[in-house]
Amino acid sequence: EAGVAQSPRYKIIEKRQSVAFWCNPISGHATLYWYQQILGQGPKLLIQFQNNGVVDDSQLPKDRFSAERLKGVDSTLKIQPAKLEDSAVYLCASSLAAGARTDTQYFGPGTRLTVL
Amino acid sequence: AQSVAQPEDQVNVAEGNPLTVKCTYSVSGNPYLFWYVQYPNRGLQFLLKYITGDNLVKGSYGFEAEFNKSQTSFHLKKPSALVSDSALYFCAVRDGSGYALNFGKGTSLLVTP
Repeated sequence: EAGVAQSPRYKIIEKRQSVAFWCNPISGHATLYWYQQILGQGPKLLIQFQNNGVVDDSQLPKDRFSAERLKGVDSTLKIQPAKLEDSAVYLCASSLAAGARTDTQYFGPGTRLTVL
Repeated sequence: AQSVAQPEDQVNVAEGNPLTVKCTYSVSGNPYLFWYVQYPNRGLQFLLKYITGDNLVKGSYGFEAEFNKSQTSFHLKKPSALVSDSALYFCAVRDGSGYALNFGKGTSLLVTP
């Protein structure tokens, strides 16, 4: 079974530029998550989708971050404009069921963003 | 609010010795607890989870964890460490009311030959 796919793996941009990350979850997984992992910290949830609807975006900085999940499959996360403090690894995860709190989340390899 | 604490930044153990990585949690209601491992430049890999039932949970690669409700702990253990177990380990908790996983800051495990 193929895992969660993410691209690009690495991205370096200047501050105030924009950037987009792509995620393809495990086939058939209804729920998709985006996490931000700053160096030395655990991942922090940015947004959660169930199928193509947003369940939780309470920690997403909406003035600069946006995310969408068209057709309930792939998802993109965008930052516009980027700030220095956005330097982090952005992890995508997916889980099988919609609304099951006991479900395991499976993570992709992440995108390492460096903002200069 | 739900949270986990991993009190040790780093754990050092000799190959062949038992290892323990500590985790304590704080939730309202019943906790759902998870352990993940992260190798350099890789995503998080699921090791095991506690939902309900038997307090001793067995997972991947010979790891196990013991849920202790009275001590609000969920320590990760392995009877005999391997050098290849060296990685960053994360404990995470979700309570019954939300979907988000709340992660600890991670514990770096170093297994020396």
